[in-house]
Amino acid sequence: DGGITQSPKYLFRKEGQNVTLSCEQNLNHDAMYWYRQDPGQGLRLIYYSQIVNDFQKGDIAEGYSVSREKKESFPLTVTSAQKNPTAFYLCASTGPQSSYNEQFFGPGTRLTVL
Amino acid sequence: AQRVTQPEKLLSVFKGAPVELKCNYSYSGSPELFWYVQYSRQRLQLLLRHISRESIKGFTADLNKGETSFHLKKPFAQEEDSAMYYCALNRGGGADGLTFGKGTHLIIQP
Repeated sequence: DGGITQSPKYLFRKEGQNVTLSCEQNLNHDAMYWYRQDPGQGLRLIYYSQIVNDFQKGDIAEGYSVSREKKESFPLTVTSAQKNPTAFYLCASTGPQSSYNEQFFGPGTRLTVL
Repeated sequence: AQRVTQPEKLLSVFKGAPVELKCNYSYSGSPELFWYVQYSRQRLQLLLRHISRESIKGFTADLNKGETSFHLKKPFAQEEDSAMYYCALNRGGGADGLTFGKGTHLIIQP
């Protein structure tokens, strides 16, 4: 099954711990994104990467970090500095195949801080 | 700063009635706008984009630069249209990501 995958589906974290969310794609897309989805808030961009070894902050990057060592992978680390990390996290990707005009989304990871 | 506004959190209409989901935007450049849809227990997916001027599942959306709007319309609602709908704006062209509205939950009553 091709496409974009995220793991785990559910994640629980104690306060003060860092956690890493996985995002992998086999669509040969150059660009990858992390969004946070909160009820009634829509989606907000955390970080994005247009090419390997490069990434940019989105609108709500504080308390998060990313890496892009491989084209297929774009992991997101939620650090202890993120004050309200409980949310649904969505990863997306796009590429020249769709003229960067369509983002493909993963199934999401629901993070709960205990 | 760019912004996407969807004024209705919830919209409920009867099957067969017309549907209009409102979207307004603010953007200083030439906007690229999209509608994404999330059906129950499914992934968020693209419904349509303004540059294609297409009709998908009976939905259409016209970009009105004068009113800075990109409303989504369908003349006759079907029960399978029930979903969460998000209007989105391309942040800077190319691959800079999207700015989303807060979404409208559309419920089609039988």
